[in-house]
Amino acid sequence: EDQVTQSPEALRLQEGESSSLNCSYTVSGLRGLFWYRQDPGKGPEFLFTLYSAGEEKEKERLKATLTKKESFLHITAPKPEDSATYLCAVETSGSRLTFGEGTQLTVNP
Amino acid sequence: EAGVAQSPRYKIIEKRQSVAFWCNPISGHATLYWYQQILGQGPKLLIQFQNNGVVDDSQLPKDRFSAERLKGVDSTLKIQPAKLEDSAVYLCASSRVGGTTNQPQHFGDGTRLSIL
Repeated sequence: EDQVTQSPEALRLQEGESSSLNCSYTVSGLRGLFWYRQDPGKGPEFLFTLYSAGEEKEKERLKATLTKKESFLHITAPKPEDSATYLCAVETSGSRLTFGEGTQLTVNP
Repeated sequence: EAGVAQSPRYKIIEKRQSVAFWCNPISGHATLYWYQQILGQGPKLLIQFQNNGVVDDSQLPKDRFSAERLKGVDSTLKIQPAKLEDSAVYLCASSRVGGTTNQPQHFGDGTRLSIL
């Protein structure tokens, strides 16, 4: 059975304090790893797709990386508007996405 | 481009009643998904449609949940009868042809269902 585990469950940062979120996975036949951002009362918003170990993607203050067993979402000099829940999901055969439980990030001004 | 539209935004019902949710995907998106998101958890796939055919409904509790996608566009998800454990946000997502590789899923804002 495909499993996705995200850590930490919650993270509180000061504005400008860089950190990383972790997503570890156990799947048979990874087709892609996805990062989403979810604000309260909203649906998940697509951020990145990673397909193979060693791949990196960047968007503003966020950078996602992928190894054979885990992915990291690095947040550089975060701002309060980066506060959200960040979800990781893996795609396996049949295009099904299996999500982790998310990391709730709070950035204090 | 307009996003995925869902209605209603909120619904409160008593257990054993029935409820239905509606979704209109992004124009041109052939694949449509329904997810259940329980508070504090990630979304869990309930059913996936490709045009108006079911691709994956292995995690749909078929004794009480049903879904249809007539004409390959709009979709409805129904629960009958509802149980307390069905309290959750029901998310609809859509993507372009045939799955998510190279084509990410785009989500609506969901329907928050509370069962009393």
